[in-house]
Amino acid sequence: QKEVEQNSGPLSVPEGAIASLNCTYSDRGSQSFFWYRQYSGKSPELIMFIYSNGDKEDGRFTAQLNKASQYVSLLIRDSQPSDSATYLCAVGSADSWGKLQFGAGTQVVVTP
Amino acid sequence: EAQVTQNPRYLITVTGKKLTVTCSQNMNHEYMSWYRQDPGLGLRQIYYSMNVEVTDKGDVPEGYKVSRKEKRNFPLILESPSPNQTSLYFCASSLSEVSYEQYFGPGTRLTVT
Repeated sequence: QKEVEQNSGPLSVPEGAIASLNCTYSDRGSQSFFWYRQYSGKSPELIMFIYSNGDKEDGRFTAQLNKASQYVSLLIRDSQPSDSATYLCAVGSADSWGKLQFGAGTQVVVTP
Repeated sequence: EAQVTQNPRYLITVTGKKLTVTCSQNMNHEYMSWYRQDPGLGLRQIYYSMNVEVTDKGDVPEGYKVSRKEKRNFPLILESPSPNQTSLYFCASSLSEVSYEQYFGPGTRLTVT
């Protein structure tokens, strides 16, 4: 069973600080990687996607991908209370387009 | 408004009574998918569809059926629900496969007693 692993948290982050979330995956051939945010009782919504090794920045969010080490991370700069949510890492299967595996999610709590 | 709709939003049923959860999208998306979300396990893919009449199994397809007769609709069928299928179900769609942003429906909370 190919897996996507995340620390469940909660990750407590002071307001204004950087939140760092990590995700490891077992399918070495995976090519597409996604970070979703899910507020309590709501649907997941896409924050970032990344396909190539390195960093990708979008506003206060930076996704980092290292395929050799099989991990993808998400940095949230200048964390705000509205960033308090569960962050889901998702990895596209190398075997089958259309198949997507999610980690269990990391809960982030930003404290004022 | 671009959206994915699911019905019903909440359902309590009994073991063995067939049920269907509907999913519809108005974005002309080719790709649709069903997930279940359970505490500590995250989202797990049940079935997905790359286009009309094209469906394939995700990681947890046992006990579920799907069909894709029209592009906009992707119903999830539980022929004989069991208590272990009690879960929160999400339908999602995207323009094409998983390389694009998936839009999720509001979720259906199913309880099987």
